[in-house]
Amino acid sequence: QKEVEQNSGPLSVPEGAIASLNCTYSDRGSQSFFWYRQYSGKSPELIMFIYSNGDKEDGRFTAQLNKASQYVSLLIRDSQPSDSATYLCAAPSYNQGGKLIFGQGTELSVKP
Amino acid sequence: DVKVTQSSRYLVKRTGEKVFLECVQDMDHENMFWYRQDPGLGLRLIYFSYDVKMKEKGDIPEGYSVSREKKERFSLILESASTNQTSMYLCASSLWGVAGGYYEQYFGPGTRLTVT
Repeated sequence: QKEVEQNSGPLSVPEGAIASLNCTYSDRGSQSFFWYRQYSGKSPELIMFIYSNGDKEDGRFTAQLNKASQYVSLLIRDSQPSDSATYLCAAPSYNQGGKLIFGQGTELSVKP
Repeated sequence: DVKVTQSSRYLVKRTGEKVFLECVQDMDHENMFWYRQDPGLGLRLIYFSYDVKMKEKGDIPEGYSVSREKKERFSLILESASTNQTSMYLCASSLWGVAGGYYEQYFGPGTRLTVT
């Protein structure tokens, strides 16, 4: 089983809708999670991190963490075509400080 | 402002050549990483370093070596480039994190390497 798993997509949503991206992880010791956005041909950029159960909101983005069920999600409200990108979920390696385990990424397409 | 730079955005090399990819960060980060990214395979860790002159193998170290002589600089070396090393190479850096600690990685712009 992969340590961090994401549905590769593509996920297609109409402009203005809510995009929901999901990630599951296998290491119960994981304490925090990161969401990166990667535009085609560019490098990943951090958009959210979360380390407490529940929701964390930042503008149109909401990260949700459920440690009991071992999943983390990213909601994008009022999706825009500029949100079209690949979204990577990552969790720290429990026994190697600083190393992140990345999911395969979910490709999101927002249609005008 | 956080900054990770890579020596080249695009690079074309011939099979058998020795290739150096350089990465520099100006954030005084302890950790530095080299990844390659290929369609359908995601980000794969090649090597990482948590201190000067220290290195750890990642998931796919074969065919690569690294050098970290100064804290801010981490080099990836392809001893004898092969066509299957054609890829996007990404460097990243982060603060030192204790197990489970939450220090994000900052990425450089990437080097698209083509080996012909």
